[in-house]
Amino acid sequence: SAVISQKPSRDICQRGTSLTIQCQVDSQVTMMFWYRQQPGQSLTLIATANQGSEATYESGFVIDKFPISRPNLTFSTLTVSNMSPEDSSIYLCSVERGSSTDTQYFGPGTRLTVL
Amino acid sequence: AQKVTQAQTEISVVEKEDVTLDCVYETRDTTYYLFWYKQPPSGELVFLIRRNSFDEQNEISGRYSWNFQKSTSSFNFTITASQVVDSAVYFCALRYDRDDKIIFGKGTRLHILP
Repeated sequence: SAVISQKPSRDICQRGTSLTIQCQVDSQVTMMFWYRQQPGQSLTLIATANQGSEATYESGFVIDKFPISRPNLTFSTLTVSNMSPEDSSIYLCSVERGSSTDTQYFGPGTRLTVL
Repeated sequence: AQKVTQAQTEISVVEKEDVTLDCVYETRDTTYYLFWYKQPPSGELVFLIRRNSFDEQNEISGRYSWNFQKSTSSFNFTITASQVVDSAVYFCALRYDRDDKIIFGKGTRLHILP
């Protein structure tokens, strides 16, 4: 497995502001992903963070709202832009080391509340 | 279509009872991977097990056991002699060999009562 940390662990933000969430892994990984978990719901994949290129977004998620960076093989950021109360969720990053046969391991999550 | 169904939304059992969490999946692929994750109240998603589609052998890990049956497209999870610390939301998930994406079920919230 991998040791994954996220910052911040939680935050309360005002409507219209932006928050950047960091995901740090203790070793190089091939793939990094960002998920959203709305209250009482399952996980939804936002995007795949690609190292050195633009992220690959899932249907319903756009780069202007959720810009993602991945400058190297151990670090990624997700920004939630122009927040509204509907963005209140847990945001989780996950990683996998190798191919699609690998297991995804998840970070501790960032619990975001938008007022 | 890819789909994972966890029909049990919420289960409550008294401590020390056994409990089984159901998971039924849909797939047309012959090669796929099934997972169980645990999400305690802290929010972190904890990996429990991965099972490949070509390996139907059941697995036991301490009080946890998993029953994989391709004939019924099910991958059920049993906790024996449950403990209060087992209280969490449990997610079953499916992944194809040709894709990086994981499809999660809606989860089952398990309450272990003291």
